[in-house]
Amino acid sequence: AQSVTQLDSQVPVFEEAPVELRCNYSSSVSVYLFWYVQYPNQGLQLLLKYLSGSTLVESINGFEAEFNKSQTSFHLRKPSVHISDTAEYFCAVSDNEKLTFGTGTRLTIIP
Amino acid sequence: GAGVSQSPSNKVTEKGKDVELRCDPISGHTALYWYRQSLGQGLEFLIYFQGNSAPDKSGLPSDRFSAERTGGSVSTLTIQRTQQEDSAVYLCASRNYNEQFFGPGTRLTVL
Repeated sequence: AQSVTQLDSQVPVFEEAPVELRCNYSSSVSVYLFWYVQYPNQGLQLLLKYLSGSTLVESINGFEAEFNKSQTSFHLRKPSVHISDTAEYFCAVSDNEKLTFGTGTRLTIIP
Repeated sequence: GAGVSQSPSNKVTEKGKDVELRCDPISGHTALYWYRQSLGQGLEFLIYFQGNSAPDKSGLPSDRFSAERTGGSVSTLTIQRTQQEDSAVYLCASRNYNEQFFGPGTRLTVL
């Protein structure tokens, strides 16, 4: 069985400040890790993924996440957020079949 | 478009009625998934198809829920005798290698 914990349900951040959204997972097998983003009134979009190789993965809009096997974490970071980053962020783990999602973190950017 | 499509986008029904939700995956994707997103439960896995077979139905909440896939393409999720707790957004995804691509979802409201 696998599970994902996102401890922060809501994170308010001032515009241009850095942010970290935390994600911890548990699994008995090797997994793939994902961050999905859901903008207001839109569907789920893949933000970034870790499959293998380099433990630091980046998205095209400035987010990055680091896979830490010893801490079973896959935290999402951005050094400077914008208003347009307002969304709900879901961490997910997969054994290459189903995705198991965390409960989501709502990121709110304060102007 | 080349993405996953779902219909209808919105469905309002009365308690006790049956509903059918449709998913058209990305052409060539053999794996197809149904998930449910609701306020109380977050994002939950429902069922997984590989081709026309469903090796994992573990997420279907009750025997009122069923799904089929024909021709290795279109899938239909059927909910019989709908209840108010079935109200949610039903998401379909298809998979290419290690990445799942999500459709826009069907918002089901049971009155």
